[in-house]
Amino acid sequence: QKEVEQDPGPLSVPEGAIVSLNCTYSNSAFQYFMWYRQYSRKGPELLMYTYSSGNKEDGRFTAQVDKSSKYISLFIRDSQPSDSATYLCAMSAPSGGSYIPTFGRGTSLIVHP
Amino acid sequence: ETGVTQSPTHLIKTRGQQVTLRCSSQSGHNTVSWYQQALGQGPQFIFQYYREEENGRGNFPPRFSGLQFPNYSSELNVNALELDDSALYLCASSLKSGGQETQYFGPGTRLLVL
Repeated sequence: QKEVEQDPGPLSVPEGAIVSLNCTYSNSAFQYFMWYRQYSRKGPELLMYTYSSGNKEDGRFTAQVDKSSKYISLFIRDSQPSDSATYLCAMSAPSGGSYIPTFGRGTSLIVHP
Repeated sequence: ETGVTQSPTHLIKTRGQQVTLRCSSQSGHNTVSWYQQALGQGPQFIFQYYREEENGRGNFPPRFSGLQFPNYSSELNVNALELDDSALYLCASSLKSGGQETQYFGPGTRLLVL
């Protein structure tokens, strides 16, 4: 079993839909939870990060962390074709003074007009 | 754009050869991390350098090595290339602050080993 599980999709939705992306994990030591967006032929770009459990909102994006269930989510409201990308979850625990992220495999999102 | 640059953008090598990939960090950042991203997978941590010293290493063999220079640019060297080394290699720079650092990724170098 991988430390971080993420459905690769693809997930295809119409423009304006609410998108829900999810990851599960097994390592209870994870403290920081992140979502990255990666466009084709580009490096990942950090969208949001959350420390421990709870919700965090930034514009159209909402991140949720449920540590008791080892489950994290990213919601995208009013999705746009420009949101079409691969979304990677990542999480980290302290190790020798550093926090090295462990990534999921990414979910491919397609928002069609 | 993140200000992190990588070169070359693409590279083709044959099995057994050696390769050097380069990364220029964002201005002001003192930490660089390297990742391998196979097709359809998430990035896998190779190692991290902080102030020119290796500061953590993932589950990669010793033929993967690196350097960080005084200007915080960095190199990833891979010896004795294998077919499975074909991947996108990403570097990410950050400013170490004691907690979770925001890592800024470059566009990557796509390596194909034949």
